[in-house]
Amino acid sequence: GNSVTQMEGPVTLSEEAFLTINCTYTATGYPSLFWYVQYPGEGLQLLLKATKADDKGSNKGFEATYRKETTSFHLEKGSVQVSDSAVYFCALTTNSGGSNYKLTFGKGTLLTVNP
Amino acid sequence: SQTIHQWPATLVQPVGSPLSLECTVEGTSNPNLYWYRQAAGRGLQLLFYSVGIGQISSEVPQNLSASRPQDRQFILSSKKLLLSDSGFYLCAWSSGQGNQPQHFGDGTRLSIL
Repeated sequence: GNSVTQMEGPVTLSEEAFLTINCTYTATGYPSLFWYVQYPGEGLQLLLKATKADDKGSNKGFEATYRKETTSFHLEKGSVQVSDSAVYFCALTTNSGGSNYKLTFGKGTLLTVNP
Repeated sequence: SQTIHQWPATLVQPVGSPLSLECTVEGTSNPNLYWYRQAAGRGLQLLFYSVGIGQISSEVPQNLSASRPQDRQFILSSKKLLLSDSGFYLCAWSSGQGNQPQHFGDGTRLSIL
């Protein structure tokens, strides 16, 4: 079956620090990979995605590269801001058997950025 | 563009009372629809998903049920709420095409007293 493992944190950084949140996966079939962000009290927002090996997803200064050889999709940002404080979820989906296209989520990583 | 609406945003209900949460999607047709619960501690649990009108799949046995009376409407219900039903409920949709992301509503915070 499919699974996603991400560092659970919490991660606490100072403003302008470099961020890495690790994510590795196992999947049957060829997955598409996603990062979602959840701000306090809100739903999940799609942050970025990658659909094939070596694709780099990017949005709002965040980046993640689909690494098939290491089955990883690590999230990075060069300079975090206080407004980036949120929970980040790594997720994947595969079109293997049926049309339900369920997402498999990691457990989420709480990021706190201090001024 | 596509939008998803979920209501109410907050709900406080007594134990044993019924529940109805509604979710609607605009700007797309024949979406896949999903209900999740997020308990304290962040993890997401898929409760139900639907690939078409009247087609509901349940992921976990529980005292909740779901219905899809229209193409873009998804309802989460209970006849008698339990304390353990408290949580943050999220509705999501995705395209019927392969390997597409899900898009989430703003959620309903349900507290059972």
